Amino acid sequence: DAGVTQSPTHLIKTRGQQVTLRCSPISGHKSVSWYQQVLGQGPQFIFQYYEKEERGRGNFPDRFSARQFPNYSSELNVNALLLGDSALYLCASSGGLGWGTEAFFGQGTRLTVV
Amino acid sequence: KQEVTQIPAALSVPEGENLVLNCSFTDSAIYNLQWFRQDPGKGLTSLLLIQSSQREQTSGRLNASLDKSSGRSTLYIAASQPGDSATYLCAGRPSGSARQLTFGSGTQLTVLP
Repeated sequence: DAGVTQSPTHLIKTRGQQVTLRCSPISGHKSVSWYQQVLGQGPQFIFQYYEKEERGRGNFPDRFSARQFPNYSSELNVNALLLGDSALYLCASSGGLGWGTEAFFGQGTRLTVV
Repeated sequence: KQEVTQIPAALSVPEGENLVLNCSFTDSAIYNLQWFRQDPGKGLTSLLLIQSSQREQTSGRLNASLDKSSGRSTLYIAASQPGDSATYLCAGRPSGSARQLTFGSGTQLTVLP
């Protein structure tokens, strides 16, 4: 079975532009979460979606938005890119909302803002 | 607010050595704790998940323990190999915000042949 897949793997954007990152969860998983990891730090929580509804939001500006589709795949959008948005963006899927469920991560999308 | 700390930040050991990685968290009311491995520039690979009702989990040469009362978890790696070289991250799912994982900054492990 395929694990969590993310696309693209790398991309370079200019300050002020907008970017869309995509994630497909493990088959049967209904929960998708997004994390941002800057170099040398642990991942920081951005959003969680479950059954197409936002169920959690981290401390990120409104420039960050996301959605989940009927097939449980998800997109993360970032508007008005800043240099500080350069990071590895990770998607995680799990079978439930949280508590006892195990999170499985994709390989990430490396975003570079120049 | 849950905070997770991992010490040391980096560790270098000779091949074959047994080693322990440490993880501490400020809020003992966690639902579970998960250990991950991350290779440079890559995503996270789940190693072990410990539920709040458990004290330890084992997978092959890996053993993870959880002591909620002291706010600590340890990852024990037996007979280390060069292929174990990676960054190891622990993450807790806090009771106040179970939707998210709160991560430490990781321990970068190098196993020398």
